[in-house]
Amino acid sequence: ILNVEQSPQSLHVQEGDSTNFTCSFPSSNFYALHWYRWETAKSPEALFVMTLNGDEKKKGRISATLNTKEGYSYLYIKGSQPEDSATYLCAPTSGTYKYIFGTGTRLKVLA
Amino acid sequence: NAGVTQNPKFQVLKTGQSMTLQCAQDMNHNSMYWYRQDPGMGLRLIYYSASEGTTDKGEVPNGYNVSRLNKREFSLRLESAAPSQTSVYFCASSPGTGALGNQPQHFGDGTRLSIL
Repeated sequence: ILNVEQSPQSLHVQEGDSTNFTCSFPSSNFYALHWYRWETAKSPEALFVMTLNGDEKKKGRISATLNTKEGYSYLYIKGSQPEDSATYLCAPTSGTYKYIFGTGTRLKVLA
Repeated sequence: NAGVTQNPKFQVLKTGQSMTLQCAQDMNHNSMYWYRQDPGMGLRLIYYSASEGTTDKGEVPNGYNVSRLNKREFSLRLESAAPSQTSVYFCASSPGTGALGNQPQHFGDGTRLSIL
């Protein structure tokens, strides 16, 4: 898995808005999809790991879905708060120890 | 609960100098990784160690060497630093047991390295 694309690259939303971003990856040789949250001056923190087509995961106001047949995952944030401001990374894996990270979506939530 | 610890946090080198970045984890994880993070490039895998005693190249291994000293420690060495290696370096670990590739990674706080 070499081509991982995340869109948009950056996003500004108002506090209270809901938002979503996309991670696209080749559907062949897929094994798992990871989402990470990366706050400025900190280290990436794991949010979700999904493996099955149709998987949905939720953590508070953040949720994610997975479509392995068409090669994409959506991350949703409901009612964005300033503390949600971060870069969100996805990383598909192909059943090995190599994780290929996307370049991320940088979210800024304006109070 | 230290997790993954990296040293040093910051370093400035001159071209041609060598240095070793240290990484240690206290979670009894089998797998460890070194990444570099450059603007607009995301995290790129330099080397990884699936288990103690093994190391493998990632996407961008040229100019680097690694040593898995024991289960806890995984070091990254720059033998002759070049300005192109100016970056932020992250070490990570994961349990590395059971199915491959479906375990989240735990990251250190990073080492900011500048090469003049």
